[in-house]
Amino acid sequence: KQEVTQIPAALSVPEGENLVLNCSFTDSAIYNLQWFRQDPGKGLTSLLLIQSSQREQTSGRLNASLDKSSGRSTLYIAASQPGDSATYLCAVPLEKLSFGAGTTVTVRA
Amino acid sequence: EAQVTQNPRYLITVTGKKLTVTCSQNMNHEYMSWYRQDPGLGLRQIYYSMNVEVTDKGDVPEGYKVSRKEKRNFPLILESPSPNQTSLYFCASSPMRRGLDETQYFGPGTRLLVL
Repeated sequence: KQEVTQIPAALSVPEGENLVLNCSFTDSAIYNLQWFRQDPGKGLTSLLLIQSSQREQTSGRLNASLDKSSGRSTLYIAASQPGDSATYLCAVPLEKLSFGAGTTVTVRA
Repeated sequence: EAQVTQNPRYLITVTGKKLTVTCSQNMNHEYMSWYRQDPGLGLRQIYYSMNVEVTDKGDVPEGYKVSRKEKRNFPLILESPSPNQTSLYFCASSPMRRGLDETQYFGPGTRLLVL
């Protein structure tokens, strides 16, 4: 069974600091890895999808890396802003989509 | 606008009163699924469907039913709701048959309280 772990569970940083969010998974036979953002009481918004053949994916200030052999992915958010405050979840598909518990980020103005 | 819609967004009901939460997508996606999200437990899949008339159990199917008679709709049915089904529910869809090779698109969520 695929286990997905996200560390830390919560993170608080001052505006402008770079964010580093970690995701680890137990089964490396994955198709891809997805990062989502969830605002309080809202649905999930897809941020990045990294195919298993890729090592990283970038979108604006976001960069996600994938190391299948070690079962890890890292989401970097450069120059954080208060609007980046949200919960970030990673999800890994094998037989189904398995989600981590998320990292709740607070960016202080 | 491409989207996944859910109705109702908020629902308060009583134990044993049957209810249906609707889910509809306008993107012609083959794969649809239902999740529930609970504090400390994260997102857990209830049921999923890879195509019309094809549904399968996820991690936590007990107490739920689904149907997929049309490609765009995937309703979630609680025949006899119980308080432990109080949760935030999300419907999602994806374009690929396996549903795993492409980005999942999520609905806005339905917050259910069962008294």
